[in-house]
Amino acid sequence: KNQVEQSPQSLIILEGKNCTLQCNYTVSPFSNLRWYKQDTGRGPVSLTIMTFSENTKSNGRYTATLDADTKQSSLHITASQLSDSASYICVVSEGSWGKLQFGAGTQVVVTP
Amino acid sequence: DAGVTQSPTHLIKTRGQQVTLRCSPISGHKSVSWYQQVLGQGPQFIFQYYEKEERGRGNFPDRFSARQFPNYSSELNVNALLLGDSALYLCASIHLRGPMNTEAFFGQGTRLTVV
Repeated sequence: KNQVEQSPQSLIILEGKNCTLQCNYTVSPFSNLRWYKQDTGRGPVSLTIMTFSENTKSNGRYTATLDADTKQSSLHITASQLSDSASYICVVSEGSWGKLQFGAGTQVVVTP
Repeated sequence: DAGVTQSPTHLIKTRGQQVTLRCSPISGHKSVSWYQQVLGQGPQFIFQYYEKEERGRGNFPDRFSARQFPNYSSELNVNALLLGDSALYLCASIHLRGPMNTEAFFGQGTRLTVV
């Protein structure tokens, strides 16, 4: 069973609208949680990284939240742009060695 | 992310052949991880190396092997290629800042196609 679950699997939004992606994890021990943006066929690019004590972190139009008690995170995209079309992957770092546990990703398509 | 170099970017192999993928981490990073990403799925962990020692292995057959060199670069080898090995292979350069404090940066990946 995957230790990082993301929802929805995919979504289509109109340009300019907002959307929220969800990530639930069971990884333990928890080191940190990252959200990555991945364009098709390219390597993931980090958007945010949060440790156990952080509740929210923003990077431009991207805002991530973390509830370490419920082991849930969300990524909110504000005023979406066509260039936001990509896969968004939640990655939880496990233990001291930074072993990364990946979610399957949410495929976001922004339409004009 | 900038600084993690993977080579080659693309390659095509036939079934049964062997392939070697290479990764150079960011300067100062001593740990490298390898991941396999099949189209439409999230990356799957293959190996992690730190200071030339294997620190983790995913659920992959023995056809997959890796090593890390003194300069912290790494190679991933896959023998007896199968069609199902076709994927994007990602290398992560991991900075171990301290206990439970790590940061990971990815290369652009190597797209392997097995025909």
